Amino acid sequence: NAGVTQTPKFRVLKTGQSMTLLCAQDMNHEYMYWYRQDPGMGLRLIHYSVGEGTTAKGEVPDGYNVSRLKKQNFLLGLESAAPSQTSVYFCASSTGLGVSYEQYFGPGTRLTVT
Amino acid sequence: GIQVEQSPPDLILQEGANSTLRCNFSDSVNNLQWFHQNPWGQLINLFYIPSGTKQNGRLSATTVATERYSLLYISSSQTTDSGVYFCAVEQKTSGSRLTFGEGTQLTVNP
Repeated sequence: NAGVTQTPKFRVLKTGQSMTLLCAQDMNHEYMYWYRQDPGMGLRLIHYSVGEGTTAKGEVPDGYNVSRLKKQNFLLGLESAAPSQTSVYFCASSTGLGVSYEQYFGPGTRLTVT
Repeated sequence: GIQVEQSPPDLILQEGANSTLRCNFSDSVNNLQWFHQNPWGQLINLFYIPSGTKQNGRLSATTVATERYSLLYISSSQTTDSGVYFCAVEQKTSGSRLTFGEGTQLTVNP
């Protein structure tokens, strides 16, 4: 049981390049989330999904797109990277079924945009 | 949206000391979690505690939901306890989104 995994762990992009971050969970969770963490701050929600085929905007969605084609995977895309998107990105998942709202986090992806 | 305030922002301890970290929140919550972010950036789930008291080894947490605060107790601190402690809450009306506080930076010196 790997929990929540993220690919890649590190990435350096040039301004204007695109990339996709992959999050996978093997806990059969309905809900998945993407957060970003900037230096000295807590995490902020970018986008989330309450089930396969659904996505919704969080607190800081601009410049990002997401897709949830399979229940176990949640992809975060940057179409045209900007230096302001330099951050650490965390994925999380939860059952979201009202029994327990606990969120489980992946190890993070450190992204630098130059 | 919900406001989450953590105190103190910074804390320096000698190994073996005890400490209490506080999290205040401004509205009713479905979820409250405490995390430890270690110096390598990993987020480690400490407690899922929307109400009540839990203990895990040297750590314990109490949430008083009616008064909108939670406390994290660390006893007999060790250098490996160093890092940032985050409180995060899910507002009952927010649709399953965690809002994080700004964290408490804990340094435990040998």
